[in-house]
Amino acid sequence: SQTIHQWPATLVQPVGSPLSLECTVEGTSNPNLYWYRQAAGRGLQLLFYSVGIGQISSEVPQNLSASRPQDRQFILSSKKLLLSDSGFYLCAWSVGQKGNSPLHFGNGTRLTVT
Amino acid sequence: QKEVEQDPGPLSVPEGAIVSLNCTYSNSAFQYFMWYRQYSRKGPELLMYTYSSGNKEDGRFTAQVDKSSKYISLFIRDSQPSDSATYLCAMRPNFGNEKLTFGTGTRLTIIP
Repeated sequence: SQTIHQWPATLVQPVGSPLSLECTVEGTSNPNLYWYRQAAGRGLQLLFYSVGIGQISSEVPQNLSASRPQDRQFILSSKKLLLSDSGFYLCAWSVGQKGNSPLHFGNGTRLTVT
Repeated sequence: QKEVEQDPGPLSVPEGAIVSLNCTYSNSAFQYFMWYRQYSRKGPELLMYTYSSGNKEDGRFTAQVDKSSKYISLFIRDSQPSDSATYLCAMRPNFGNEKLTFGTGTRLTIIP
């Protein structure tokens, strides 16, 4: 069966510091991978998605970037964190190229920028 | 107007009651509909997944889609305290790799 791992679970970082959040998926090949941010009362915001190695689509211009160095690895990064980057970051995966594939989420990373 | 509207609650019901959670949407291209359950400090967990209109039942959960009214529902029978969570609806069209559009979630508490 497929599993998704996200780490760390919680992170406290000072303003201006770099960020690296990692996500890996097991049990499937060539998944679509996603980074979401969830803010209280505002729902899930899609940040990046990837349909293959090195293929990244950005949904929202911001202080963050994403990379996919391997088929089942997705990394969210920042060179300098802002206070507004605080939030709950979720990685997700799906398979296929049509709408008939639901997303499956990891357990998220709660980031607090101080 | 948001593409997907969901009452944020909070919604509190006694144990054993039937719970009805709802979302309305404006995009007639949506064909796939999902319900996720999210416990505090955890990622969303897929509960139900339906295509187009109709009902789908899984244990105590029933998902209902009415495309003519652009309205979807999730019913929980014999509600349990362990059902206390935030419930998110999500939907997408039937083409390409179009992103999911989520509701903001309804916070549900089942009172023992």
